[in-house]
Amino acid sequence: DTAVSQTPKYLVTQMGNDKSIKCEQNLGHDTMYWYKQDSKKFLKIMFSYNNKELIINETVPNRFSPKSPDKAHLNLHINSLELGDSAVYFCASSQDLVSSSSYNSPLHFGNGTRLTVT
Amino acid sequence: AQTVTQSQPEMSVQEAETVTLSCTYDTSESDYYLFWYKQPPSRQMILVIRQEAYKQQNATENRFSVNFQKAAKSFSLKISDSQLGDAAMYFCAYSTGTASKLTFGTGTRLQVTL
Repeated sequence: DTAVSQTPKYLVTQMGNDKSIKCEQNLGHDTMYWYKQDSKKFLKIMFSYNNKELIINETVPNRFSPKSPDKAHLNLHINSLELGDSAVYFCASSQDLVSSSSYNSPLHFGNGTRLTVT
Repeated sequence: AQTVTQSQPEMSVQEAETVTLSCTYDTSESDYYLFWYKQPPSRQMILVIRQEAYKQQNATENRFSVNFQKAAKSFSLKISDSQLGDAAMYFCAYSTGTASKLTFGTGTRLQVTL
């Protein structure tokens, strides 16, 4: 009964390939996110969707395309993978705006997907 | 743009002792929220504590407490009676009252020694 689940946990692929990371939340939240954590552990938001609508796109290359078939899912598709895409990608969800969420868990994170591009 | 700064890349504390992790932020907003997240080696992001900017009282959660100095834009985390399980990366994060995203600091790696 994991709240935010993302698959796969690890992904190793070669440069130039296209890959997808899936994310699902069973919390009934309206907003979902993708964050990227680089090799120096720095976390930065990539995208945010609210009720399937894109609301934040933080100057992420066009090779990254999020897809939200419904508000419980936010998948991340990456085209033409590059070495610099190697990172840990976190999916997250919140009830609505971060500030209006309950104290106990304003933002629920998945366990991350470690992407390695060789 | 809002920024979050954690000036201590690494900290060490002995078991049962107290340690304080520093965080400063820059914002022109009056309504915002501050968070501390813990990331153990398992990679999971765990919310430790949260502070609403409009509240003067410092948030506490068991052994974890914050020192929120709004005028100085400082938000430090104090861990009392440190335990081995506290060893992790700790991230300070900021969110405005209206935007649905977190801005993270660069993290502080906390080691807990016997």
